[in-house]
Amino acid sequence: EADIYQTPRYLVIGTGKKITLECSQTMGHDKMYWYQQDPGMELHLIHYSYGVNSTEKGDLSSESTVSRIRTEHFPLTLESARPSHTSQYLCASSDRDRGNNEQFFGPGTRLTVL
Amino acid sequence: AQSVTQPDIHITVSEGASLELRCNYSYGATPYLFWYVQSPGQGLQLLLKYFSGDTLVQGIKGFEAEFKRSQSSFNLRKPSVHWSDAAEYFCAVGAYNNNDMRFGAGTRLTVKP
Repeated sequence: EADIYQTPRYLVIGTGKKITLECSQTMGHDKMYWYQQDPGMELHLIHYSYGVNSTEKGDLSSESTVSRIRTEHFPLTLESARPSHTSQYLCASSDRDRGNNEQFFGPGTRLTVL
Repeated sequence: AQSVTQPDIHITVSEGASLELRCNYSYGATPYLFWYVQSPGQGLQLLLKYFSGDTLVQGIKGFEAEFKRSQSSFNLRKPSVHWSDAAEYFCAVGAYNNNDMRFGAGTRLTVKP
């Protein structure tokens, strides 16, 4: 059973608001990821981290930022939300020592920006 | 660059019928292949994975998949579908110690009574 949590599960906010999507995992995984998921589209990697104080941008341009101050925590922040940010955001983690890149996913946050 | 194609956007099968979901990949190195399932409002759950060895892999919930290198395919099968299998299914490809995992666009499965 994967122990990776995301809050909030659903969020509806107005344009221009600052928001932070939370992601925590209790598996001690070094690697963590944020994906953006839209209906009928593949998952797009927007940020990833190899460990504490390591963050990288993924292949999808995103106006969001991330931080990794603790191994278990990988929050994603939007400084000024826009309707184009409306999407489902999935957090995932994997065990670096295993090398096989098998990723465990959280339940997702569905964000709607009005 | 690697990519994954799931040719079928939506499939409908009757309960009790067999199922095959197609997945084709493009990858320059030895691929690691995965099938995930996503129920509405949920994250992705791993069904099965292939890294090496026997090309027919068994997963959870009665699913299996076969890796065919010559066809660059990793199709998912189930001999008898249950109503609870209705969900979105994603195929993914990655490589050893490589952060770059690619997902297909998904196949939505509807199960008729």
